Amino acid sequence: GENVEQHPSTLSVQEGDSAVIKCTYSDSASNYFPWYKQELGKRPQLIIDIRSNVGEKKDQRIAVTLNKTAKHFSLHITETQPEDSAVYFCAARSNSGYALNFGKGTSLLVTP
Amino acid sequence: NAGVTQTPKFQVLKTGQSMTLQCAQDMNHEYMSWYRQDPGMGLRLIHYSVGAGITDQGEVPNGYNVSRSTTEDFPLRLLSAAPSQTSVYFCASQTYPRPNSPLHFGNGTRLTVT
Repeated sequence: GENVEQHPSTLSVQEGDSAVIKCTYSDSASNYFPWYKQELGKRPQLIIDIRSNVGEKKDQRIAVTLNKTAKHFSLHITETQPEDSAVYFCAARSNSGYALNFGKGTSLLVTP
Repeated sequence: NAGVTQTPKFQVLKTGQSMTLQCAQDMNHEYMSWYRQDPGMGLRLIHYSVGAGITDQGEVPNGYNVSRSTTEDFPLRLLSAAPSQTSVYFCASQTYPRPNSPLHFGNGTRLTVT
């Protein structure tokens, strides 16, 4: 089955800096790559997603890039703010299955 | 719309007890799933269903049973709770079979087995 690796497990940045979280996947048939943000004690919520026919997608301060050849995708957050502090999960879904396979998460701390 | 509703929010069980975690959605989503979340382990799929009467196992199905008698409900049963099942459980749903449809999570159930 699909195996999703996520790095780093923890990330600390100063307010205003950029943050980058990287994920790799094993199944070359995977075609959907969402990112979820989970604040402490709350449910994961989708913040951005990308399909395999797109190399990059942006939504204000958040962007995701996908390299199908290398089988990795990344989340970029620019001009970070304290409210960006949370755990971020990447995930991948194969076009031969229904389940989302998640990475183990990155705990992002943005310090003022 | 309420979205995905999970009950209870918190539960404490003794080893060997049984219980059912409830999950209901009002979005008419065909696909529903259960994940467990443990520190440092991410979200791991327990069971999923692509429609009423259809269920299948995920990555960590042992110790859990599910059924899907209606589109709206997808309960998760622990027949004989073990301390290893202490976790936060999330139910999620999405439209099917649209491949890029987002997964909607419930608020979670925090289960402790002593």
